Amino acid sequence: EPEVTQTPSHQVTQMGQEVILRCVPISNHLYFYWYRQILGQKVEFLVSFYNNEISEKSEIFDDQFSVERPDGSNFTLKIRSTKLEDSAMYFCASSSLGGDGNTIYFGEGSWLTVV
Amino acid sequence: EDKVVQSPLSLVVHEGDTVTLNCSYEVTNFRSLLWYKQEKKAPTFLFMLTSSGIEKKSGRLSSILDKKELFSILNITATQTGDSAVYLCAPRAYSGAGSYQLTFGKGTKLSVIP
Repeated sequence: EPEVTQTPSHQVTQMGQEVILRCVPISNHLYFYWYRQILGQKVEFLVSFYNNEISEKSEIFDDQFSVERPDGSNFTLKIRSTKLEDSAMYFCASSSLGGDGNTIYFGEGSWLTVV
Repeated sequence: EDKVVQSPLSLVVHEGDTVTLNCSYEVTNFRSLLWYKQEKKAPTFLFMLTSSGIEKKSGRLSSILDKKELFSILNITATQTGDSAVYLCAPRAYSGAGSYQLTFGKGTKLSVIP
């Protein structure tokens, strides 16, 4: 079964450092998402991406965050200058279409620890 | 503000028991509701519900949506230890410009003991 893959599975970084989390969405999918889950809290929407641009972003997704699709397969989330409160599990997700009726599939997540 | 409330937050049952997990929601521009199972990491898709009153089934799991009363339930019959997980409810809403967004509840942590 096709799946969303993410790397790294776990990253520890110092506060203020830049981090790039990588995702390979399911190959025929066109819509891509990042969600995050702080330990013990809800899964929260960060951003959705379609046709090489952001289609929706939450208030969490401030200027420190950016997303990119550098080639035909990868989808990245960059945090420019990490803060302690960025420590969380970051999930990449994709769907074949963006409309209702399309399942969103999640990757295994990248656990980011900021120290 | 969109709100998703799942209950109970935590549940411990014995193998073979039947459980019902609840999800109530208040979401602007609601379109559908998705249920996920989260074991260690990735939420794994279970069901997507778009119409009221139509039960979806997959093996021992079933789910139904009530769009009038704004809730959904997930039933698991003859529970097994492998059902132990956090079950997440996520209504999907239309957020404009062709974009849809999931809002997750806190989840119900189900523990099935032998």
